[in-house]
Amino acid sequence: QVQLVQSGSELKKPGASVKVSCKASGYTFTSYAMNWVRQAPGQGLEWMGWINTNTGNPTYAQGFTGRFVFSLDTSVSTAYLQISSLKAEDTAVYYCARVRVSTVTTSRPFDYWGQGTLVTVSS
Amino acid sequence: QSALTQPASVSGSPGQSITISCTGTSSDVGGYNYVSWYQQHPGKAPKLMIYDVSNRPSGVSNRFSGSKSGNTASLTISGLQAEDEADYYCSSYTSSSTQVFGTGTKVTVL
Repeated sequence: QVQLVQSGSELKKPGASVKVSCKASGYTFTSYAMNWVRQAPGQGLEWMGWINTNTGNPTYAQGFTGRFVFSLDTSVSTAYLQISSLKAEDTAVYYCARVRVSTVTTSRPFDYWGQGTLVTVSS
Repeated sequence: QSALTQPASVSGSPGQSITISCTGTSSDVGGYNYVSWYQQHPGKAPKLMIYDVSNRPSGVSNRFSGSKSGNTASLTISGLQAEDEADYYCSSYTSSSTQVFGTGTKVTVL
């Protein structure tokens, strides 16, 4: 069965970095692109962007450029989200979610989601 | 890209039908038949309920249906059940080749 399993919760100090992993199983990794979605405490969902699992090319949504980096290790079917220079406002649950690769990949729905990773930034 | 507009809350009694609206613009909801709906229970990951405006993934109850008129998409839950109490989010493809989520709606079963 399809599974996206994310790494555990993180507590970081302002200015530090964090790397969240999302390990996929149960399907062909490169047939689906990986998206990242942020949910701040008590807030709604926010699309951060996606990474092409065939080429490794990332696309970042407005507001998620500069400190946010998407990467892959296709040998272990894992996607990563790294956030540098962490700020208190980065405190949120971060989800990975897959979409089927198509001619317009970003139009496709998020059909499976990881369980979420809580990143807390506090001094 | 601004978030799509949803009502903050909708409520109904068991067995009733409720409808959640999702209003965007001609650059997102109105321009494409690529609207999805997600259900999120507290502390859980979102779950896909409707895609491409009105299609249900395998395993989703047929009590959930979707539609669209102009720049507004809608999710209807018929035969409301206690387990339907959750947050619901719409999302749409946009003319910038991005995705945008709605503001979210809390559904309460009275």
